Amino acid sequence: EPEVTQTPSHQVTQMGQEVILRCVPISNHLYFYWYRQILGQKVEFLVSFYNNEISEKSEIFDDQFSVERPDGSNFTLKIRSTKLEDSAMYFCASANRAAGANVLTFGAGSRLTVL
Amino acid sequence: RKEVEQDPGPFNVPEGATVAFNCTYSNSASQSFFWYRQDCRKEPKLLMSVYSSGNEDGRFTAQLNRASQYISLLIRDSKLSDSATYLCVVNNVRSNYQLIWGAGTKLIIKP
Repeated sequence: EPEVTQTPSHQVTQMGQEVILRCVPISNHLYFYWYRQILGQKVEFLVSFYNNEISEKSEIFDDQFSVERPDGSNFTLKIRSTKLEDSAMYFCASANRAAGANVLTFGAGSRLTVL
Repeated sequence: RKEVEQDPGPFNVPEGATVAFNCTYSNSASQSFFWYRQDCRKEPKLLMSVYSSGNEDGRFTAQLNRASQYISLLIRDSKLSDSATYLCVVNNVRSNYQLIWGAGTKLIIKP
C-alpha cells in the first residue's frame, strides 16, 4: 500500500533555531498538506499546496513558516525561528484528484520538541 | 458553538458490544464528512467517508442527519483493536482545501 513518509520522526531543537521537516507524498498525488497536532489537542490545518504553489494557508502559518517542493518528490516544511509553542506533531498528508482533495493519506508524523 | 463538536469520552465498552457516537457540525452548508481514527501518538487514518444515504463498511456504519446537523458512527461486535480516538471531520465551506477536525472521541474496548 503506498504511503506518505516523513523524516525525521522526532527532532529536538533549541528555541530560535531553524527546522526543516521532510515529506515524500504518494507519487501520483497532486495535493499536499501540512497539519499539526499539539499534544492532547485537535488536528490543525497549516497549509495546502497544489500545482507547485500554496493554495491555502491558515492563521497559524505565519511568516516563520514556509513550504517547498524542491525536486518533484519531496515536500518540506521549514520553520525559520522556532518558538516553544511550535512543539507539536507535524503531519504531512497528500490526496489525489480521483479521491478528492479532502480524502487524505497522512504520514506517520514528525514530532518537534522546542526547548 | 464549536464548528465540529464531539463527546471526548472515554467510552469504555466490553468486547463484542455495539457502540455509537455522534458528532455535530455548525455549518449547514457543509458537504463532505469523514470519520478518521487515530491511535495514540500516531497519524489519523481515514476510516470512512460519510454519504448522504448512510454507508456501511463491515462492522462500521456511518449516518448523516442533515436536518439535525450531525453524523454518527456505529461499531458492531467491537474488537480490542477498535480502541482508538475517532475523529469527526467536516469540510470547511469557506475553503476548497481545509478540513475542520473535531477533538475526537476516545474509545476503549475492554476484554
